[in-house]
Parts: sequence; structure tokens; C-alpha cells
Amino acid sequence: DVKVTQSSRYLVKRTGEKVFLECVQDMDHENMFWYRQDPGLGLRLIYFSYDVKMKEKGDIPEGYSVSREKKERFSLILESASTNQTSMYLCASSLRTVRGKLFFGSGTQLSVL
Amino acid sequence: AQTVTQSQPEMSVQEAETVTLSCTYDTSESDYYLFWYKQPPSRQMILVIRQEAYKQQNATENRFSVNFQKAAKSFSLKISDSQLGDAAMYFCAYRIGDMRFGAGTRLTVKP
Repeated sequence: DVKVTQSSRYLVKRTGEKVFLECVQDMDHENMFWYRQDPGLGLRLIYFSYDVKMKEKGDIPEGYSVSREKKERFSLILESASTNQTSMYLCASSLRTVRGKLFFGSGTQLSVL
Repeated sequence: AQTVTQSQPEMSVQEAETVTLSCTYDTSESDYYLFWYKQPPSRQMILVIRQEAYKQQNATENRFSVNFQKAAKSFSLKISDSQLGDAAMYFCAYRIGDMRFGAGTRLTVKP
């Protein structure tokens, strides 16, 4: 089975801290994604990586950056965490095909105090 | 920009009955895929069903089926013989390169 692993299930950080959310997949997928999930808003795309060192902004990239130095790992970085970044963060991966389904990690619930 | 709209924030169904969840989307593309994902309380996203835009025939997976109306840009999910385990958030999604999701519908199943 495909496994997408997010490093933390729950995370509490302080305002202004630099935060790293890590995601690792074990299926040699080209595409990787970061979403944030908020009640009533669904999943919103933050960044999409279609291959190593390649990235595209999603709908809400402000305040976030990403890094993909290796195919299996896709990191989301909050340069200076703010309270409005308190959310559930979901990572996903897929094959590079439009019919490819996304495989999701179990999510990180981030609280910024 | 691609948009996906789920107009029903919450739905309720009696066990063993049928329920339909609505989804509309907006695109100028002709080649794309549509998906329904389920998110139970465990938070794990699970693929329910997918549909290729070029296929006229509606996709079916056991008790789950879709009504795909390409001209109307509508993609509803029908759940037949509802079970308690169907209770979850359901997300409609659209994929060209990346994937965009709707706001979700919370489905409650009453025993």
C-alpha cells in the first residue's frame, strides 16, 4: 500500500516561530501537494510540486514556502507563524497523470498561539 | 480559476435509504477528471469514485454511483442502501494538473 507520512499529528507553535511540516511518500510519485483544511472552506491548495525542485503556487501560498530536494519528501515552511495559520494541513502525492488519484497523509493539526 | 461548489454543507439520511450529494464545477478545459473523496472522523481521505470527463457512462463502485452531466458541469454522488459507516465529510474534486476541492458536505446516517 502507498504510504504518505506526515511527521506530526498535532503541533503547537508560537507566533513568529519558523515551522516545518514534513511529508514523505514511498511510492515514487512525481506529484506532491500541500493543502490546508478549514471548516466550511474545504481543502485549499497551498502548493503543488510536479517533480523534484519544481513547484507551483496554489490558491493560498501567502505566508508559506515549500522545498522538494528529493522526490519522496515535500516540506511546507511557515516562515513566521501567525494565528491565522492555525489549521489542519494535509499532504498528498500522486502519479503524474490527470487520472491519478491523490494519496493522503493523516494530517497535521497545527495550533499557533 | 477552477472552482468546485458543493451547495449542501450538511445532509442526513436514514440507514438503508438513498442520498444524493451535489457538486458543480467551473472549467474551460475539455480533458479532466472528477473525484469524490470521503473523510471519516479518523481524518484519513479515502477515494470513493472517479469519473473521466470524456466518458459518457457514469462511474459506479458498489453502492456509490455518480450522475455526470458535462454540459451542466454537474457531478453528483448517489449513495444507495446507506450504512452507518458512510457517515463522513464528502469532498468533490476536479483535476487537470493539480487537484481542487469543494467545501465539503457532512453526511449523517441515522439508525
